[in-house]
Amino acid sequence: NAGVTQTPKFQVLKTGQSMTLQCAQDMNHNSMYWYRQDPGMGLRLIYYSASEGTTDKGEVPNGYNVSRLNKREFSLRLESAAPSQTSVYFCASRQGANQPQHFGDGTRLSIL
Amino acid sequence: AQSVTQPDIHITVSEGASLELRCNYSYGATPYLFWYVQSPGQGLQLLLKYFSGDTLVQGIKGFEAEFKRSQSSFNLRKPSVHWSDAAEYFCAPRRDDKIIFGKGTRLHILP
Repeated sequence: NAGVTQTPKFQVLKTGQSMTLQCAQDMNHNSMYWYRQDPGMGLRLIYYSASEGTTDKGEVPNGYNVSRLNKREFSLRLESAAPSQTSVYFCASRQGANQPQHFGDGTRLSIL
Repeated sequence: AQSVTQPDIHITVSEGASLELRCNYSYGATPYLFWYVQSPGQGLQLLLKYFSGDTLVQGIKGFEAEFKRSQSSFNLRKPSVHWSDAAEYFCAPRRDDKIIFGKGTRLHILP
């Protein structure tokens, strides 16, 4: 009963390093999402993928890239990490027009 | 542009008191409406949802929400809060695949 799995759970990077956050869902959902959560800012949408083979920008896409590798997996890449990208990152998936999102447990990322 | 507003960043209530958390949205047409709860250090959990029909919807943990089309609101309520309700609550309207969340309301419970 895995649902949405994010790896890693914690990561510390140095400024300028690159990193890929992994997300996989086993519910056969079409849509997948990446959010970042910062104190007082709620969840902000970075990128989303409405279906396999498509990706779209969200509210705060700058500094990030995504890949919808297949229906199960949606990865988020930081090419050159910056301290402003220190955050908790959540992946979510959804199936159907009137269905809620299912969330992973988050990845806590610190950029020094 | 689509937007969602949760005007209260923090709310403090006494255990056993009633609760109302506000959510207002601005969309071209009535969106699907969701409330989520996030306990400290956890992911988000669905509390309830509204698509159509009865404007008062029941959710888990004794929560309910009322959809008011004329006010573009979907406020969350609970008649009597418990200490375990201390968490952050998010409203998330949706019309298409781009799902945007409100900034959240953090609920504090006084013993």
